[in-house]
Amino acid sequence: NAGVTQTPKFRILKIGQSMTLQCTQDMNHNYMYWYRQDPGMGLKLIYYSVGAGITDKGEVPNGYNVSRSTTEDFPLRLELAAPSQTSVYFCASSYSKGPYYGYTFGSGTRLTVV
Amino acid sequence: QQQVKQSPQSLIVQKGGISIINCAYENTAFDYFPWYQQFPGKGPALLIAIRPDVSEKKEGRFTISFNKSAKQFSLHIMDSQPGDSATYFCAASLNTGTASKLTFGTGTRLQVTL
Repeated sequence: NAGVTQTPKFRILKIGQSMTLQCTQDMNHNYMYWYRQDPGMGLKLIYYSVGAGITDKGEVPNGYNVSRSTTEDFPLRLELAAPSQTSVYFCASSYSKGPYYGYTFGSGTRLTVV
Repeated sequence: QQQVKQSPQSLIVQKGGISIINCAYENTAFDYFPWYQQFPGKGPALLIAIRPDVSEKKEGRFTISFNKSAKQFSLHIMDSQPGDSATYFCAASLNTGTASKLTFGTGTRLQVTL
């Protein structure tokens, strides 16, 4: 039972480069989320999805894009990397709309933009 | 804006002592209040949670106290152990109709010393 798998674990990007952070879950969860975690700032919601083909913006969506073509996968795309996007990115999924089952988080991707 | 304020930023407690972490929220529409525990290099994991119609919830050594009128809630860790050393995040859930989104506090780094 893998849960939520994120790849890569670490990445260094140059300013202006693009990349996709991969997220896959094997729990058949409909709800998926992308958060970024900055020191002393907690976790901020970037985008979320309530099912395949449906995505919506969170608190800090600028500079990112997402897609949800399958229930399992929820990739996060950075088109023109900027130093402000240096952060740890977490993907999460949940069983239902309600929060009672909790979120299952992946182990994160540490991204540095230089 | 910071909708969930968490304190202290860091905490050092001796083994066997009580760890107390406090959170305050602003939005009275929040309908669920979970706590997440995060170990270095890992994603956050659900620890314990409470609904706003309950004043206290206890699970083993972990207790949430909730004060709806003051819009505050706290995590108490009794008989703190070195294995409890981690970062703790409080969170608040908001049901937007299509999804329940979590807003996280800024985190508390707990160190339990021998």
